[in-house]
Amino acid sequence: QVQLVESGGGLVKPGGSLRLSCAASGFIFSDYYMSWIRQAPGKGLEWVSYISYGGSTIYYADSVKGRVTMSRDNAKNSLYLQMNSLRAEDTAVYYCATFPSGHLASWGQGTLVTVSS
Amino acid sequence: EIVLTQSPGTLSLSPGERATLSCRASQSVTSTYLAWYQQKPGQAPRLLIYGASSRASGIPDRFSGSGSGTDFTLTISRLEPEDFAVYYCQQFGSSPPLTFGGGTKVEIK
Repeated sequence: QVQLVESGGGLVKPGGSLRLSCAASGFIFSDYYMSWIRQAPGKGLEWVSYISYGGSTIYYADSVKGRVTMSRDNAKNSLYLQMNSLRAEDTAVYYCATFPSGHLASWGQGTLVTVSS
Repeated sequence: EIVLTQSPGTLSLSPGERATLSCRASQSVTSTYLAWYQQKPGQAPRLLIYGASSRASGIPDRFSGSGSGTDFTLTISRLEPEDFAVYYCQQFGSSPPLTFGGGTKVEIK
């Protein structure tokens, strides 16, 4: 069965950096677009970015553009989100998800990022 | 940007009742790219419906989706205790590529 496990979250000071990872198993990773979505505490869902099969196409939400880089390593069945210049408003649970045909089919359990001094 | 507005914000119903959730788009959405998710406290969202009306794998048939253009509906025919949760609609297409509605909370009356 599809399994997605995020890691790398934690407490970071404003202006700091974090690299999130998502380990995928149970499916052919390279056959799927992938996406990151976040959810601030007590709030709704916000799309962050998505990446194509081989990583040649990547889109970002305006709220993170220029500060975040999404990448993937199909040989390692892994997805990444490098986050720089973090702000308080980036505090959220970050989920990775498979992204076939415009919907988010399978989700990980999420990793919490807290940006605070 | 396509804005998705979900209503009502909160729906108070009893088990066994029918739930009707609305998702209205500020511009026309391709039905192929309209999805619904369920989220319970402390859990990740779960895909319920994609392509406006196709149930995801393992989703009970009491969940159904309908609609086109700017108006979409998620219906739960008879609420089970495990259905009390928050529901989100999502569209894919225009810039930004993905947007979510603000959610509808279905709570026990």
